[in-house]
Amino acid sequence: EVQLVQSGAEVKEPGESLRISCKGSGYTFTSYWIIWVRQMPGKGLEWMGRIDPSDSYTSYSPSFQGHVTISADKSISTAYLQWSSLKASDTAMYFCATQNSIAAASDYWGQGTLVTVSS
Amino acid sequence: DIQMTQSPSSLSASVGDRVTITCRASQDISNYLAWYQQKPGKVPKLLISAASTLQSGVPSRFSGSGSGTDFTLTISSLQPEDVATYYCQRYNSAPQTFGQGTKVEIK
Repeated sequence: EVQLVQSGAEVKEPGESLRISCKGSGYTFTSYWIIWVRQMPGKGLEWMGRIDPSDSYTSYSPSFQGHVTISADKSISTAYLQWSSLKASDTAMYFCATQNSIAAASDYWGQGTLVTVSS
Repeated sequence: DIQMTQSPSSLSASVGDRVTITCRASQDISNYLAWYQQKPGKVPKLLISAASTLQSGVPSRFSGSGSGTDFTLTISSLQPEDVATYYCQRYNSAPQTFGQGTKVEIK
């Protein structure tokens, strides 16, 4: 059974750094792309970017390019989303999900990680 | 970037009604279109891929159609458990943009 398990909720102050994780199991981690999706409170889904865990090739939405970094460690079947300097506007739920090819819908999703940025 | 526009943004219908949600792409995306259902406080669930392919386990009252720029999600007979927000998503190329969502409620 394919599962994506995300790290727990985080509360941070503006300017702090953060890395959240998404661990895959039940499949060959390097066979599926991982995408990251943001959902701000009461708002819709926003595609942030994706990574091919086999070679760590990434692509980003222009809206998020330069503000977040997506990475992966295939040795531990884990993908990451990180910020070097959080803003209050980064407060949101973040989901990871799989894609079985470069052009595919996302059939498996993590449970989400709530990030709260507040002073 | 290719924009995805859903309509309506919300709707209220009675149990048993036929419900239609539309999604328009600003450029031709062939059939690289998915529909997701997100119930309040839950994780999005893939309902339909390739514009019209129903995922395993999804009730047959859900159907999708369209290609190119215009797509439709239809619920043939609305049920109370269908209360949710529905999103379209193009996935032909990055960024794989979502529509803004359609909130479906029971009248």
